[in-house]
Amino acid sequence: EVQLVESGGGLVQPGGSLRLSCEASGFAFSNYWMSWVRQAPGKGLEWVANIKQDGSEKYYVDSVKGRFTISRDNVKNSLYLEMNSLRAEDASNYYCVREREADRSPNWFFDLWGRGTLVIVSS
Amino acid sequence: IQMTQSPSSLSASVGDGVTITCRASQGISSHLNWYQQKGGKAPKLLIYAAYSLQNGVPSRFSGGGSGTDFTLTISSLQPEDFATYYCQQSFNTPYTFGQGTKLEIK
Repeated sequence: EVQLVESGGGLVQPGGSLRLSCEASGFAFSNYWMSWVRQAPGKGLEWVANIKQDGSEKYYVDSVKGRFTISRDNVKNSLYLEMNSLRAEDASNYYCVREREADRSPNWFFDLWGRGTLVIVSS
Repeated sequence: IQMTQSPSSLSASVGDGVTITCRASQGISSHLNWYQQKGGKAPKLLIYAAYSLQNGVPSRFSGGGSGTDFTLTISSLQPEDFATYYCQQSFNTPYTFGQGTKLEIK
C-alpha cells in the first residue's frame, strides 16, 4: 500500500526539541521531493520545508529557518524533521507529504499525505 | 506570495453549483493546486496545475484561471463535498496556501 506514516509528535516545553519521522512505503521514495506541512488546531495549512530527492537542496519557511532541519534517509525510506527552540506557535499537526511534478509542465503539487503527528508546545 | 480565497465560508444545498476563488499576490502562471479537507483528516488533492483533475476525482470538480486569479467550481454538490477547500501556489518556495473556504450544507 502506498502510504506515509508519521511519528515522533508529543508534548514538549517551550525551548525544547523534538524529532519527527515519516516512513514511506509502497513507492520509490528516493525518486521524490518530500515536504512537511503543518496545521495548527482549527487553522489553515502551512508549508514548513522540503528536500530534494538526494538531500542536496532544502528549503524552509522563514519562521522555522535556523530552528528546524529537514533530512532524509533513502535507504530507510524515511523523512525527518528536527525541531529545536520550539515555540507555542509551532504547535500543530505535522503532515509528511510527497511532492509530484505534472507530466507536461513544471508544476508541483502534493499528491500523497500522511495522517500527521501532533506536536504540543506547552509548559 | 500571498494567497487569498473567497469566500471564507459558503452555504449551499445538495445539487447546487458553487465557485470558490483564489487570488495570488503576484503572477504564478498556472502553478496553482486545490485540496479538499474533511473533519481533521489529511487534505486530498483535487486539481493541480490550475485545471488538471487528479486521478479518481469526480468530474463535477473543475479548475480554471492563470496568472493571479483562479477558480474551483463544483458543478452539482453531493453530500460528500461539504468540506474545507484550500488553494496552494507552487510557483516558488515558500509554498503558500489560501486561508481556506468552508463549504457547509444550507
